[in-house]
Amino acid sequence: KAGVTQTPRYLIKTRGQQVTLSCSPISGHRSVSWYQQTPGQGLQFLFEYFSETQRNKGNFPGRFSGRQFSNSRSEMNVSTLELGDSALYLCASSLGQGRFFDYGYTFGSGTRLTVV
Amino acid sequence: DAKTTQPPSMDCAEGRAANLPCNHSTISGNEYVYWYRQIHSQGPQYIIHGLKNNETNEMASLIITEDRKSSTLILPHATLRDTAVYYCIVRVDHYNQGGKLIFGQGTELSVKP
Repeated sequence: KAGVTQTPRYLIKTRGQQVTLSCSPISGHRSVSWYQQTPGQGLQFLFEYFSETQRNKGNFPGRFSGRQFSNSRSEMNVSTLELGDSALYLCASSLGQGRFFDYGYTFGSGTRLTVV
Repeated sequence: DAKTTQPPSMDCAEGRAANLPCNHSTISGNEYVYWYRQIHSQGPQYIIHGLKNNETNEMASLIITEDRKSSTLILPHATLRDTAVYYCIVRVDHYNQGGKLIFGQGTELSVKP
């Protein structure tokens, strides 16, 4: 079955601009989580969407937002970009529910965002 | 804050077993332990996960201590392609609110010929 698809793979933006990243989960998966990876902070949880609702949120400013559509595809948006937002943004797809929460996560290849 | 502690780096000879330790002494009773690896800043690749019992799949074995305060990932016959950063992760769950993976800094495993 097809894996998790993230687009675009690479992006260069200017400070102050906004950006939208897309994630298509594995068919049948209803949960999409987003993570930011930087050399200094490592992998950090941004938020999770399940059935079009944000179910969980990490400690990021309000400039970071997301949404999920009825087909489970998700987008994340970063407004008023700062240099420190340069990172690899990863999304992870999962069933999001299951007996005793026993389910795995499949990551996409990520979007490399560079803010100049 | 990360709930896991791993050695920053390890070496392993090709063909030998790689045993990667992880400490998660503050883990709660319903929190799962996951292992992922990441190569060259690609997306993390799932290896294995478990709650309290030892687990094995085609890639690796996961040994969790009885008190669940630590675990070991075993790659039975390491190859050069297993060179990667290995993350031991605790998934923090909130009932009906989903879970999030809390990553630590990982262990950089170097498999040498």
